[in-house]
Amino acid sequence: EVQVVQSGGGLVQPGGSLRLSCAASGFTFSSYEMNWVRQAPGKGLEWVSYISSSGDTIHYADSVKGRFTISRDNAKSSVYLQMSSLRADDTAVYYCARQFIYWGRGALVTVSS
Amino acid sequence: EIVLTQSPGTLSLSPGERVTLSCRASQSVSSGYLAWYQQKSGQAPRLLIHGVSTRAIGIPDRFSGSGSGTDFTLTISRLEPEDFAVYYCQQYGSTSITFGQGTRLEIK
Repeated sequence: EVQVVQSGGGLVQPGGSLRLSCAASGFTFSSYEMNWVRQAPGKGLEWVSYISSSGDTIHYADSVKGRFTISRDNAKSSVYLQMSSLRADDTAVYYCARQFIYWGRGALVTVSS
Repeated sequence: EIVLTQSPGTLSLSPGERVTLSCRASQSVSSGYLAWYQQKSGQAPRLLIHGVSTRAIGIPDRFSGSGSGTDFTLTISRLEPEDFAVYYCQQYGSTSITFGQGTRLEIK
């Protein structure tokens, strides 16, 4: 059974940093691209970042470029989102997803003083 | 970036009715890389349709997608009670993936 388990959300002050993790199981992780998508409270979906199966190709939304870093460790079947210089408008539930088919349950990130 | 505009914003319908949701792109969607998602409150999105018209595994055949270029539709042939949710379209044909703002289906 495919599982995508997220961890790492929480409350952080503006300008701070936070790392989200996503551990996958039930499939050959190194064969699949992964994405991060976020959803601000009461708002729609916003794609955040993409990483290819090997990690060689990475893309970011303009809203997070230069502040967020996506990475993966295929040996640990995990993908990460390192978030820095966080702003109030980064407050959202963050989802990781395998090919947008299998999604984690989401991690709430709240940026507030 | 490709902007996706969904209409209408909200629909109030009754179970058993047929519904068509619209998604219009600001420029042509590459290679038909257009998907539809369903999201219920407090849950992650669920992929319904990819490649404009291919149903994802386990999706009932009352859901169908169509369109090309810049105009796409999702049709639910006969609404079931569990279909009342928010629906999003998404284009994934460019390196900057985008979602529409969503259409909410409400029970009338």
